[in-house]
Amino acid sequence: GQQLNQSPQSMFIQEGEDVSMNCTSSSIFNTWLWYKQDPGEGPVLLIALYKAGELTSNGRLTAQFGITRKDSFLNISASIPSDVGIYFCAGQVLPSGNTPLVFGKGTRLSVIA
Amino acid sequence: NAGVTQTPKFRVLKTGQSMTLLCAQDMNHEYMYWYRQDPGMGLRLIHYSVGEGTTAKGEVPDGYNVSRLKKQNFLLGLESAAPSQTSVYFCASTTDNQPQHFGDGTRLSIL
Repeated sequence: GQQLNQSPQSMFIQEGEDVSMNCTSSSIFNTWLWYKQDPGEGPVLLIALYKAGELTSNGRLTAQFGITRKDSFLNISASIPSDVGIYFCAGQVLPSGNTPLVFGKGTRLSVIA
Repeated sequence: NAGVTQTPKFRVLKTGQSMTLLCAQDMNHEYMYWYRQDPGMGLRLIHYSVGEGTTAKGEVPDGYNVSRLKKQNFLLGLESAAPSQTSVYFCASTTDNQPQHFGDGTRLSIL
């Protein structure tokens, strides 16, 4: 089946540093999504990308949909303690509920104050 | 606006027991999903439903059954629980051209 390779698996950074994580796939996706999961809660959508080459920001977060449609990255600028959590990428062939999401294994972010 | 609500939040079962996890959404979404999350494995799809009365298998369906008798509810059943089913279970729902919304999870331990 389709798989997403998400890296890094974990990161320890100092407060104020910038963070970058990415996902790659061997197959094409037409939608890329980035979710964040806080401890004890479900994933919450951060950014959705629907067009190859698209660059979208949400506050301090910026995500890009790779031009080949096989990758995406997420950047967090000027990290703060509440950025701690697990970040998941997800790909979807079509933006329809008939087409299940494929998730990466997550990047666990720790921020040291 | 509750969104996606999962019950129960926690449960401990003995091997061989059965139970049903309930997912309810109040957003009139057509599509609903059950995932399990294990350490280092991310989210894996168990079963999903594209509408009332329909279900389909996901990536890891064995040992689970589901039903979607009402549009707003999606039930996940374990007929004979096994320790390998110890996990955190997440329900999600969506409609076309919208990202999935997740519940807060059910933590299930099987002894």
